[in-house]
Amino acid sequence: ETGVTQSPTHLIKTRGQQVTLRCSSQSGHNTVSWYQQALGQGPQFIFQYYREEENGRGNFPPRFSGLQFPNYSSELNVNALELDDSALYLCASSLAGGPYEQYFGPGTRLTVT
Amino acid sequence: GIQVEQSPPDLILQEGANSTLRCNFSDSVNNLQWFHQNPWGQLINLFYIPSGTKQNGRLSATTVATERYSLLYISSSQTTDSGVYFCAVEEYAGGTSYGKLTFGQGTILTVHP
Repeated sequence: ETGVTQSPTHLIKTRGQQVTLRCSSQSGHNTVSWYQQALGQGPQFIFQYYREEENGRGNFPPRFSGLQFPNYSSELNVNALELDDSALYLCASSLAGGPYEQYFGPGTRLTVT
Repeated sequence: GIQVEQSPPDLILQEGANSTLRCNFSDSVNNLQWFHQNPWGQLINLFYIPSGTKQNGRLSATTVATERYSLLYISSSQTTDSGVYFCAVEEYAGGTSYGKLTFGQGTILTVHP
């Protein structure tokens, strides 16, 4: 069984740039959720994707957007990067029709300078 | 939205000691998970426990959903238990799941040899 994977591991961007983060769900899982974890805080829900559509969204502006592909993998896109976007971005996968247990990837650490 | 409070915020133990971590939540939940975050940021699933009691080796957890709290017990602690422990809940939404986990602020556990 393959776990959740994310790429890249680390990323450094400049304010105003755009970034794309990638996530492959655990085998057998068809739902992907994204979270942002600032230093010293708990993760915060950004959105969830199911059947290639956004299924729920947290309190994040529209410059945070996502995609899900037919193989259930997902991308998180952030436009017009701000310094406060510096964080650990975590992806989680689960089965649909839940609630079911969510499993997290190792994360992508984004630094915006 | 639902509020999640964890206590204590910090806990320092000697190897071999036992500990209890608490998670209080403000509303009914579909899902409750306990995680251990390692120094590299990976969230490790400990328990999926929306209600009842579970045990896994030296760790056990109890959730009393009607009283809106969960407890994580660590017995005979080891230095490898050090890290941040998070409780996360999914608020009950009338039978619909949007996969939104709300995390507490975490408990930082340090186990000294």
